[in-house]
Order: sequence, then structure tokens, then C-alpha cells
Amino acid sequence: GAGVSQSPSNKVTEKGKDVELRCDPISGHTALYWYRQRLGQGLEFLIYFQGNSAPDKSGLPSDRFSAERTGESVSTLTIQRTQQEDSAVYLCASSLQRGGLSGANVLTFGAGSRLTVL
Amino acid sequence: AQKITQTQPGMFVQEKEAVTLDCTYDTSDQSYGLFWYKQPSSGEMIFLIYQGSYDEQNATEGRYSLNFQKARKSANLVISASQLGDSAMYFCAMREAGGSQGNLIFGKGTKLSVKP
Repeated sequence: GAGVSQSPSNKVTEKGKDVELRCDPISGHTALYWYRQRLGQGLEFLIYFQGNSAPDKSGLPSDRFSAERTGESVSTLTIQRTQQEDSAVYLCASSLQRGGLSGANVLTFGAGSRLTVL
Repeated sequence: AQKITQTQPGMFVQEKEAVTLDCTYDTSDQSYGLFWYKQPSSGEMIFLIYQGSYDEQNATEGRYSLNFQKARKSANLVISASQLGDSAMYFCAMREAGGSQGNLIFGKGTKLSVKP
């Protein structure tokens, strides 16, 4: 697609439920990133995928968080047994490649999925 | 220590005037890249400008310019001729060549409000 697409745009769930957030990156972008943004805060890195390499999961805050990506396409971020502190906007981004310093490797972000845990 | 520091939580500027948003960074790498993103109330992150550590000229993109002072480790964003649509959060970010993650490290942001 023309941009990074995320769904759902808004999700309200009850504490303890599982949620899945989806990201559809720009076609041809090999790198995909998930970030979390709490209200009024900056972006926290969660995880990124680069092609068929093992994902970098170093930013995941707990084992309740996991993510998958099929090849160079759609990614799903799953949060199990949600807690109120999980409430945030989850932003997905993609780029042509990971770690490049060229301006061509700019991350393009989706509009985010706003998660509210009651 | 914070890698990216944005000391201005909020800034006001009069329409049509210029404004400078501050950003300082901390890295021991010689090779790194600096980015500025804009986040309007809609929530989407919009890329504005990029500066490589080896770039000798300050980056410019339309009304945006980056005042890069390598020795001071500062990468301030200058917006000229502010418009009402410039009201948004602005984030400075850095990517290090030797970073273990290869991802962007973001500052906490500056909220810019443009007054008519």
C-alpha cells in the first residue's frame, strides 16, 4: 500500500483480556518496527524485524508482549492478560532497511493503534 | 543517561515568525544520524529532516533547517515563517551506526503552539 496501515485504530478492552494489533507495512520495506507511546510521552522501542533475520525483541517490557511477522509483510503485536499500564498508542513503522544512516532509510509510521485497558 | 534531550516541553511562537526547537544528544559513535519528526494531534509521525554526522552542510527541507553543531552535540530544528499547521509535537531522534538495535532513539518531545 501507499503507507503503513494499522488496525484497529482504537481498542478498548478489559483488564486481563488478550489483544492483537496489526501492522501492514509499505510494500518492499524490509524492516518493521513497533513502538509504544504513553500519553504525553516519547516513543519507546518494542521490537523490530528485518527480513528473515531473528527479530530484536530487546524492547519488549514483559513476556506478555510478543510479535510476529510473516516474511516482509504483515506483523501482529499481541499483548496477553492486558494491564492498565499497557494503555498507550502502539505505533508501527517500516523502512527500506534496518540500521542504515542514510536519509533514505527513514522510518515511515502508521497512524497508530490506541489501546485503552479498563 | 538520556541519549536524546529535548529541554523544552512546550513552546509558543507567533505566526510567520521563526522558532528553534532544541535537541542535544549523547553518543560515543563517530557515525550516527539525527532525525526530526512531527506528530500532529492526529497521532501520525511525520518525517521532517535528516542530518548525518559526516554531513558538512546543515540539512534543509523547505521551511525546516537543522542547526547541527557537532562539537556541542546539538541538532536544533529551525522552522521559519511558522504556520498554524505547524502546531504539533516535535521529536528529535538518533540512530547510531554501532547501536545494538539499529533503531531510532527518541527524545521526549516539544509541543509547539503557533499563535495567530
